[in-house]
Amino acid sequence: QSALTQPASVSGSPGQSVTISCTGTTSDIGGYDYISWYQQHPGKAPRLLIYDVTSRPSGISDRFSGSKSGNTASLTISELQTEDEADYFCSAFTSSATGVFGPGTRVTVL
Amino acid sequence: QVQLVQSGTEVKRPGASVKVSCKTSVDTFTGHYINWVRQAPGQGLEWMGWVSPITGDAGSAQKFQGRLTMTRDTSITTVYMELSGLRSDDTAVYYCAKEYYASGNYYYFDYWGQGTLVSVSS
Repeated sequence: QSALTQPASVSGSPGQSVTISCTGTTSDIGGYDYISWYQQHPGKAPRLLIYDVTSRPSGISDRFSGSKSGNTASLTISELQTEDEADYFCSAFTSSATGVFGPGTRVTVL
Repeated sequence: QVQLVQSGTEVKRPGASVKVSCKTSVDTFTGHYINWVRQAPGQGLEWMGWVSPITGDAGSAQKFQGRLTMTRDTSITTVYMELSGLRSDDTAVYYCAKEYYASGNYYYFDYWGQGTLVSVSS
């Protein structure tokens, strides 16, 4: 049972933007800026897209951006492309010094 | 070059234990925490625990405490995850993953092993 909540699915047409929310509590999302986002295609290992709420690792497109307000973090995918169709997971550091993932959001490109 | 290479598929009976290995590069082993994450079929990611390859210190999610042991062999730069008292709902792909930062464990996983399928069935 995840302590974070995400929408089960979001969709958009190519070229549009979509935003995925990740809601937690003051013990995780709201309490720390150690928030990350991952993309996972079927049968593949996850890929780190965002860390430290807003930072992108080398090689990650600037179409992916992160933000946080209160107990909710968000991932925005701009200029949606067909290869963006995947599952997306948020992750957070908790007050117990453990990690936790959100349940995941399926992004569908219409 | 960062590499995490895991051991192969395991098939176990309920109640048994499984030990999965994760061979890392020297730079990874000497500079970064290694975490374990699992994914049941058709389900999301579940963080299990972390190990410091240098010190051997480890920590785990509360649900796995008492069942999960994470160790390392410094001579072969390999970390291990052992899960005991297996149940059918432990059937999953188990991943080792490298922490992005060298200065601590913030649960940012920039490199992942290829995954090890552990199947638990009677």
